Amino acid sequence: DIVMTQSPDSLAVSLGERATINCKSSRSVLYSSNNKNYLAWYQVKPGQPPKLLISWASTRESGVPDRFTGSGSGTDFTLTISCLQAEDVAVYYCQQYWGTPYTFGQGTKLEIK
Amino acid sequence: EVQLEESGGGLVQPGGSLRLSCAASGFTFNTYAMNWVRQAPGKGLEWVSGVRGGGDSSYYADSVKGRFTISRDNSKNTLYLQMNNLRADDTALYYCAKSARDGNNDYFDYWGQGTLVTVSS
Repeated sequence: DIVMTQSPDSLAVSLGERATINCKSSRSVLYSSNNKNYLAWYQVKPGQPPKLLISWASTRESGVPDRFTGSGSGTDFTLTISCLQAEDVAVYYCQQYWGTPYTFGQGTKLEIK
Repeated sequence: EVQLEESGGGLVQPGGSLRLSCAASGFTFNTYAMNWVRQAPGKGLEWVSGVRGGGDSSYYADSVKGRFTISRDNSKNTLYLQMNNLRADDTALYYCAKSARDGNNDYFDYWGQGTLVTVSS
């Protein structure tokens, strides 16, 4: 199974500042035949189901603010939230969908400093 | 608008069984893979099982293989999870999640609100 490891486990950032969450996979999730990274990011707010933010490592979903940016390739990925807003407080998960079993990172809790 | 509504959760004793359902609407159900993902109290997300749009192929996490069975009734736009021989560590909020395509390498673009399963004596 592909193990996904996120860092840090928790993060406190001031409003308007940048938050950076890292995700590392135990093996590459880059599919050479199409040059796509099978990596997604989700946001989970208290009492709500997960919300898809980014697929293919860097494709932002419709309606997701452009302050959310995904980057990286192969085994190392980053979710960057520029200009943090109060509504961004949540737990963020990366997920590989290169194949089953699909696996998630342990989550990163983002709070306001 | 895509809607996914889970039901069937509840309190069950260890060793017992439960069947979860997920009623889907707002998309062509039989052309997308569907999944169950769970979140134990205070823990992260864990994919449990998935099934292709036609229902012909299904996949399981090792933690539930041999105990859980995923199925779908495309005539009713409904996804199921039959859970047998339940254990305390199966206690979780179970989400129904739609895959973005029909395959075994998809992300999840829509999620239901979840149904809570508690395994306890």
